Amino acid sequence: DGGITQSPKYLFRKEGQNVTLSCEQNLNHDAMYWYRQDPGQGLRLIYYSQIVNDFQKGDIAEGYSVSREKKESFPLTVTSAQKNPTAFYLCASSGPNSYEQYFGPGTRLTVT
Amino acid sequence: QQPVQSPQAVILREGEDAVINCSSSKALYSVHWYRQKHGEAPVFLMILLKGGEQKGHEKISASFNEKKQQSSLYLTASQLSYSGTYFCGTEDDYKLSFGAGTTVTVRA
Repeated sequence: DGGITQSPKYLFRKEGQNVTLSCEQNLNHDAMYWYRQDPGQGLRLIYYSQIVNDFQKGDIAEGYSVSREKKESFPLTVTSAQKNPTAFYLCASSGPNSYEQYFGPGTRLTVT
Repeated sequence: QQPVQSPQAVILREGEDAVINCSSSKALYSVHWYRQKHGEAPVFLMILLKGGEQKGHEKISASFNEKKQQSSLYLTASQLSYSGTYFCGTEDDYKLSFGAGTTVTVRA
């Protein structure tokens, strides 16, 4: 079955630690996206990548970093510079001739 | 810039209708609609392209008026399964900007 996987589903970290969220897709999609969701604020774009080895900042990139070394993978690192990292993080991808975005199940990150 | 959705929330009885609006201050080329059930990932419902076309998904339809820079989502004869948060997304340089969402609760 084709789809997007994110792991883990729940993640707990201490303040000051970097943490990497995994996102893998087997849909053969070129474009991938990372969103952050907080209650009442919808989906905010962190980073996106249209092609391997290239990515662009979204609306709230500060405190985050990404890499796109493989088409299938787009990991997100939440660094200690991110002031309010506790949130629900969603990864998505879209194909070349479709604007429909397919979302992964999300990772809920809690930093204390 | 994020599109603006209204209302923020709506409560319906099964069988009732509702309208969710999405407006933008920028010119729109397309509008996407997604639905997210509690604790789950958003799921694509439909995309409306420039031209004022109307599309449907089950008994959910939408319209797009590019002159007014807005789209409306129509929930007709609502079912319990329509409960969730609905998001509109507008295209901006190969990425989507999402509205804050409209939470729909359908009660028996």
